[in-house]
Amino acid sequence: EAGVTQSPTHLIKTRGQQVTLRCSPISGHTSVYWYQQALGLGLQFLLWYDEGEERNRGNFPPRFSGRQFPNYSSELNVNALELEDSALYLCASRGLGGGNIQYFGAGTRLSVL
Amino acid sequence: AQSVTQLGSHVSVSEGALVLLRCNYSSSVPPYLFWYVQYPNQGLQLLLKYTSAATLVKGINGFEAEFKKSETSFHLTKPSAHMSDAAEYFCAVSDPIYGGSQGNLIFGKGTKLSVKP
Repeated sequence: EAGVTQSPTHLIKTRGQQVTLRCSPISGHTSVYWYQQALGLGLQFLLWYDEGEERNRGNFPPRFSGRQFPNYSSELNVNALELEDSALYLCASRGLGGGNIQYFGAGTRLSVL
Repeated sequence: AQSVTQLGSHVSVSEGALVLLRCNYSSSVPPYLFWYVQYPNQGLQLLLKYTSAATLVKGINGFEAEFKKSETSFHLTKPSAHMSDAAEYFCAVSDPIYGGSQGNLIFGKGTKLSVKP
């Protein structure tokens, strides 16, 4: 069974540009979570999508947005990139079973120059 | 607000020695607790979870953790360290707003484990 897949693996952008990151959850999983892992800031929750709806967002500005498609895959969009957006962006998916076990992808490494 | 504290950003042990990584949480309700491991340039892999069943939880790769409500702790241990255990370890708790069985995870800052030959 395929795990959570994220694309691209690496991305280099310049300040002010826009970027789209993609995530495919494990087959049968309906919830997708996005986390940012920035140097010195640890893992911070960004967004949670479930059944196509945004269920919660973390303490990030509105230029961080996303969506979930009918096949449960998800996109994370970041507009007006800033240097501090440089980070590893991790996607996780969760199935319908109890326990909130989230399975993570390998992440997208974003560098903003 | 819910928080997770991992004592020690770096821990170094000798191969074969006991591994002890500390985690304390703040929660007013019984939490769902997790330990994840991250190897360089990879995502997070679940080591073990506590979801209000047995207080001693066994995970993969010989790791285990004990939930102690009185101490609000969930420390991770392994009797004998291997070189392959060198990685960063994260303790996490489910945001209790959603009852623990769903919702985002709140992570500690992580502990980097080094294993000396």
